[in-house]
Amino acid sequence: SAVISQKPSRDICQRGTSLTIQCQVDSQVTMMFWYRQQPGQSLTLIATANQGSEATYESGFVIDKFPISRPNLTFSTLTVSNMSPEDSSIYLCSVDIGDSPPEAFFGQGTRLTVV
Amino acid sequence: GQQLNQSPQSMFIQEGEDVSMNCTSSSIFNTWLWYKQEPGEGPVLLIALYKAGELTSNGRLTAQFGITRKDSFLNISASIPSDVGIYFCAGQLSGTYKYIFGTGTRLKVLA
Repeated sequence: SAVISQKPSRDICQRGTSLTIQCQVDSQVTMMFWYRQQPGQSLTLIATANQGSEATYESGFVIDKFPISRPNLTFSTLTVSNMSPEDSSIYLCSVDIGDSPPEAFFGQGTRLTVV
Repeated sequence: GQQLNQSPQSMFIQEGEDVSMNCTSSSIFNTWLWYKQEPGEGPVLLIALYKAGELTSNGRLTAQFGITRKDSFLNISASIPSDVGIYFCAGQLSGTYKYIFGTGTRLKVLA
């Protein structure tokens, strides 16, 4: 398994502002994933972040709204830009650990409330 | 985004009862994972399944990878109050590295 730490664990933000969420892993991983979990809902993949290349976004998510950085093999950030109340969700960082096949592990999540 | 059909949506059971939940899809999956999520936490991996027909146990939990590769189920035997939470299945589509998550089963155990 892996220890995945996210910061902040929660925040309340004003609409129109931006929040950057950090994800730190205790081992080097090739791919890191960012998910959104809207209130009472399941997890939806936002994007896949690889070191040294631009993140790959899923349908319905764009780089201008959710810019992602991946400066090294143990760290990534997700920014939620120009926030509105509809962005209130839990944002989760995930990594795949192991081979043949890998298993997905999650951080504890960042609970974002936009007012 | 795409999601797996998971049922039941919620369950209220008495302590000591067995629980069964399942996920179905029209797509074929290479891997099935089952997670439990408690309030304020991220999902925690319970069981991983890699082969069609595979039956795997983890304590009181048993999960199976459907023979058609389009479904999976999770059983919890002799439920206890700490089993309370939301259970998610996740499937990895054939030919991709991404996981698609089920809609979740919210479990409540009455002591």
